[in-house]
Amino acid sequence: GAVVSQHPSRVICKSGTSVKIECRSLDFQATTMFWYRQFPKQSLMLMATSNEGSKATYEQGVEKDKFLINHASLTLSTLTVTSAHPEDSSFYICSAGGQLRQFFGPGTRLTVL
Amino acid sequence: DAKTTQPPSMDCAEGRAANLPCNHSTISGNEYVYWYRQIHSQGPQYIIHGLKNNETNEMASLIITEDRKSSTLILPHATLRDTAVYYCIVRVAEETSGSRLTFGEGTQLTVNP
Repeated sequence: GAVVSQHPSRVICKSGTSVKIECRSLDFQATTMFWYRQFPKQSLMLMATSNEGSKATYEQGVEKDKFLINHASLTLSTLTVTSAHPEDSSFYICSAGGQLRQFFGPGTRLTVL
Repeated sequence: DAKTTQPPSMDCAEGRAANLPCNHSTISGNEYVYWYRQIHSQGPQYIIHGLKNNETNEMASLIITEDRKSSTLILPHATLRDTAVYYCIVRVAEETSGSRLTFGEGTQLTVNP
């Protein structure tokens, strides 16, 4: 099946720094990718829809200036958490796919100290 | 997308069939039933989907009632590696590569030795 990768798998950073997370579709092209966030013992929450060549669409309550999304090619979307704070510590997951199913990346565990 | 209701947790003995129910009484005629699972600290994994007919693949079987208001995911011979949170999601299959998923709380399946 199709593969979606994420890098890094785990990152620890200091409060106030920015962190970039990459999401790649390895064997297919994706004009749209999705970014989710998952806090401990909770379900996945959609943060934003990443659109190749255009601006991302953010869900209500998600700050677009804090969570910068760039989808510069058909195989790569990046999520940058700017000025990270401890409350941004979470599991970030991306997905990409086609008409009938989505393929998820393995996730990135972000810990902000 | 139609709302789904799943039991919060279930237990199953290793080697036995695991039957996970899902209620989706407000499902529309063009909405599919999808099942994904998430093993701890990993990205979700697609299992199976169906519209109105029962479906089977190498991972599981999906039984959809005739009125389509509920469905059951069947893992025929559960193993310890099937311990995960199972999500039942109902949505329209879009014609583009964009296919956002709304995750509920899912069912935590624990397979016991």
